[in-house]
Amino acid sequence: QVHLVQSGADVKNPGASVKVSCKASGYTFTNYYIHWVRQAPGQGLEWMGIINPSGATTSYAQRFQGRVTMTSDTSASTVYMELSSLRSEDTAVYYCARDQGLAQPWLSYWGQGTLVTVSS
Amino acid sequence: DIQMTQSPSSLSASVGDRVTITCRASQGISNYLAWYQQKPGKAPELLIFAASTLQLGVPSRFSGGGSGTEFTLTISSLQPEDVATYYCQKYNSGPRTFGQGTKVEIK
Repeated sequence: QVHLVQSGADVKNPGASVKVSCKASGYTFTNYYIHWVRQAPGQGLEWMGIINPSGATTSYAQRFQGRVTMTSDTSASTVYMELSSLRSEDTAVYYCARDQGLAQPWLSYWGQGTLVTVSS
Repeated sequence: DIQMTQSPSSLSASVGDRVTITCRASQGISNYLAWYQQKPGKAPELLIFAASTLQLGVPSRFSGGGSGTEFTLTISSLQPEDVATYYCQKYNSGPRTFGQGTKVEIK
C-alpha cells in the first residue's frame, strides 16, 4: 500500500527557509517521480516541480526557479522540498504527490499536506 | 507556457442533476489531461487520467471527454458526496499546470 507521509506544520519568519519532507513507503522508491504542489489558503493548486528520486534530476516551475530545491535520500525513501527567501505569499499547504510511472505522469498518490505559515 | 482555464468557477446544482465542467488549454495537449477532486481540508484525489480513463474505484457517474484544447468532466447524477472542488491538470511536456478549479455545491 502506497503511503506518502509528510513532515508537520511549520512557522517561519519572512526571509527564512523551510524544508518539507515526504517519506514514501509501499513501493520501490526510485521507480516513480515525486511532484510538489502547493495551495494557498482558499486558493487553487499550484504545481511547483518534479524530482526523479533515482537520479535526483529535477524540473522546477519557472516562478520558483532560484528559490526552490528538491532533493532525495534513497536510503531513507524520502524526498525534500526546500523553499528559501520566504514571504507571506508562500503561506500555503504543500503537498508531495507520486506519479504512476514512466509515460503515466498523472498524480495517483498524495501526501497529507504540510501547512507552512510565513509570519513575523 | 500553456494555460489551463476552467469554467465555471463554481456551480450549484440539485441532487440527481447532470453537471459538466469545462477545461480549456491555451494550446493543444492531445489527451494529456487529468481531473482531480478535492474535498475541504483533504488532499486532492485522482478521478480521471488520459482525459477519459476513470481511475480505479471512482464511481461510474464520473466521466471525462475531449482532446486537444477542450475537455469536459461530467457527473451524470450529482450526489451529496460529490461536493468538492475539481481541478484539471495538463501533464504533457513542460510545467504541469492546473486549472483554477471549479467548486461544486448542492442547491
